[in-house]
Amino acid sequence: DVVMAQSPLSLPVTLGQPASISCRSSQSLVYSDGNTYLNWFQQRPGQSPRRLIYWVSNRDSGVPDRFSGSGSGTDFTLKISRVEAEDVGVYYCMQGAHWPHTFGQGTKLEIK
Amino acid sequence: EIQLVESGGGLVQPGGSLRLSCAASGFTFSTDWMSWVRQAPGKGLEWVANIKEDGSEKYYVDSVKGRFTMSRDNTKNSLSLQMNSLRVEDTAVYYCARYRSLGSWGQGTLVTVSS
Repeated sequence: DVVMAQSPLSLPVTLGQPASISCRSSQSLVYSDGNTYLNWFQQRPGQSPRRLIYWVSNRDSGVPDRFSGSGSGTDFTLKISRVEAEDVGVYYCMQGAHWPHTFGQGTKLEIK
Repeated sequence: EIQLVESGGGLVQPGGSLRLSCAASGFTFSTDWMSWVRQAPGKGLEWVANIKEDGSEKYYVDSVKGRFTMSRDNTKNSLSLQMNSLRVEDTAVYYCARYRSLGSWGQGTLVTVSS
C-alpha cells in the first residue's frame, strides 16, 4: 500500500500567520492518465471532512483563496497564507492514484 | 444542493451484520464513482471502498475484503454497504462520499461493534 506521511502532526499557528503542511507518498501519485491524484481535506471539530484541494492544486468551490496546494510526484504541500480562527481542525492528504486509496495521519492545526 | 445522507448504523455484536445506506440528491448519481470512508473514534480517516458509476468495478481495503460488499441502485440514487462478520475494530463513523476523490461527504453514521 502507498504510505502517506504528513508533517508536522501538530501545528500551532498565530492568527494571521502562514502555515504549511507537508505530505510525502511512498510511490509516485502520477496516474497512467497523466493526472496526479493527491487531495487535501479539512475536518473541523465535530464536523464531517470537507475536500479543499483536488489533483494537487485545484481549489474546491467555496474554499478561500488563502488555501493553496502544490507539489509533484511524491512531495506535496498545503499552504494557508494567513490563518484564521475558522481554520482550526485536522488536515489530511489522500492519494487516489493506487488502490487502496490511503490517507495521511492528519495534521492538527490549532491557534497559538 | 448536493446531499448525502447515511443511515443504518447502530450497535451490533462481534460476528454480526449491518447494512448501511446512503441517499444521494442534488447531482447526477448515476454518472459518478462513489466511496465509503470510515473514522474510528478519535482516529484518522480510512478509505473503505469505491464503486464505479455502473457498479461494474468495486475496490475494497484489505481489512474488509470478503466481509463488506458495496452496491448501488442508480434508479433510487442510493448506495449501500453490507457489512458481515463485524469485528470490534470495525467500530467507526462511516461516511459516504461522492467521487473517488471524495468531493462531497455525508454527515456519517456510527457503527459500534461490541459485546
